[in-house]
Amino acid sequence: SQQGEEDPQALSIQEGENATMNCSYKTSINNLQWYRQNSGRGLVHLILIRSNEREKHSGRLRVTLDTSKKSSSLLITASRAADTASYFCATDARSNTGKLIFGQGTTLQVKP
Amino acid sequence: DAGVIQSPRHEVTEMGQEVTLRCKPISGHNSLFWYRQTMMRGLELLIYFNNNVPIDDSGMPEDRFSAKMPNASFSTLKIQPSEPRDSAVYFCASAPGVESRNEKLFFGSGTQLSVL
Repeated sequence: SQQGEEDPQALSIQEGENATMNCSYKTSINNLQWYRQNSGRGLVHLILIRSNEREKHSGRLRVTLDTSKKSSSLLITASRAADTASYFCATDARSNTGKLIFGQGTTLQVKP
Repeated sequence: DAGVIQSPRHEVTEMGQEVTLRCKPISGHNSLFWYRQTMMRGLELLIYFNNNVPIDDSGMPEDRFSAKMPNASFSTLKIQPSEPRDSAVYFCASAPGVESRNEKLFFGSGTQLSVL
């Protein structure tokens, strides 16, 4: 079963706008990670946030984590056409031994 | 570093045939994952190895699927016999796996499998 579920499934914005994607999960976690996948390629790690952190930044990326609501959001500011990709959250559940479970992903299209 | 290397890149086979997918993880990484990706089911974890030992294979769909990791630099995923519903992109990923924490997975380019 999927641990993380992203919302929305698809998002289309204009270049320069901000894009926000959400992820919900079911069980207590050690950390939550976000990955990006360009069409036809493997996933690439973007950012990790630990269960004791609430917010993290990396360049134009901002990730928040609300463990009480079991949810996370990924914000991409000042989007570019090159940000067009699918974005996935992955969770390392506290009860597990290191395996990572991915959500269904959000497909982002940034129009030039 | 060449990254995670998967072969073949594409595989087309007929139903009933045996299929073997190969993966070379990044040198020094202790954890290796096999995932399957389809439009309908998304990314499914099939099996996870740590230090060459299978830790969790609960995602392996059925007995037709088997995976091995004979040493730290090589893993295989075998499907025998293959069926059309096995058609998917199969990804291998590795991670440093320090103290069983996999905090950054490195993915290969995947094997696109088509079973006719």
